[in-house]
Amino acid sequence: KQEVTQIPAALSVPEGENLVLNCSFTDSAIYNLQWFRQDPGKGLTSLLLIQSSQREQTSGRLNASLDKSSGRSTLYIAASQPGDSATYLCAVVSGSARQLTFGSGTQLTVLP
Amino acid sequence: DAGITQSPRHKVTETGTPVTLRCHQTENHRYMYWYRQDPGHGLRLIHYSYGVKDTDKGEVSDGYSVSRSKTEDFLLTLESATSSQTSVYFCAISGNRGGYTFGSGTRLTVV
Repeated sequence: KQEVTQIPAALSVPEGENLVLNCSFTDSAIYNLQWFRQDPGKGLTSLLLIQSSQREQTSGRLNASLDKSSGRSTLYIAASQPGDSATYLCAVVSGSARQLTFGSGTQLTVLP
Repeated sequence: DAGITQSPRHKVTETGTPVTLRCHQTENHRYMYWYRQDPGHGLRLIHYSYGVKDTDKGEVSDGYSVSRSKTEDFLLTLESATSSQTSVYFCAISGNRGGYTFGSGTRLTVV
């Protein structure tokens, strides 16, 4: 059974800092990995999708890397802003049903 | 998200009553999913569909059934709602590149 772990569970940083969120998964036979953002009481917004054959994806101030063999991914946020405050979820697609398995998330607070 | 809508957005129902949640997509994607999100448990898969009339169970399927009579619609039914089914329900679709898109969610309260 695929399991996804995210570290840290919560993170508080001052505005302007660069930060790294970590994600690990137990079964390396994945199709892809996706990072989401969720604001309180809201739905999930897709940030980055990394196919299993790719090593990284970038969108604006966000960069996600994937090391499938070691079962790890990182989400790098450059020059953090208060508007980045949210819960960040890592999820991997695996199995015959192409099921998405989520980590528990990292709750990020960026202080002005 | 523009390609996927859920209805209703909020619902309060009484224990023992049947409830149906609707997910509608305009992307013509083959795969559709129902998840529930609860504090301390994260997002968990209830049921999924890989085509019209083709559905299967996820990890928390007890007490739920689904139907997909058209590509664009995926219905989740609670046959007899219980308080443990109070949750936020998300529908998702998966496209050709494998990325997921989620609906805005349905907040269900069973009293």
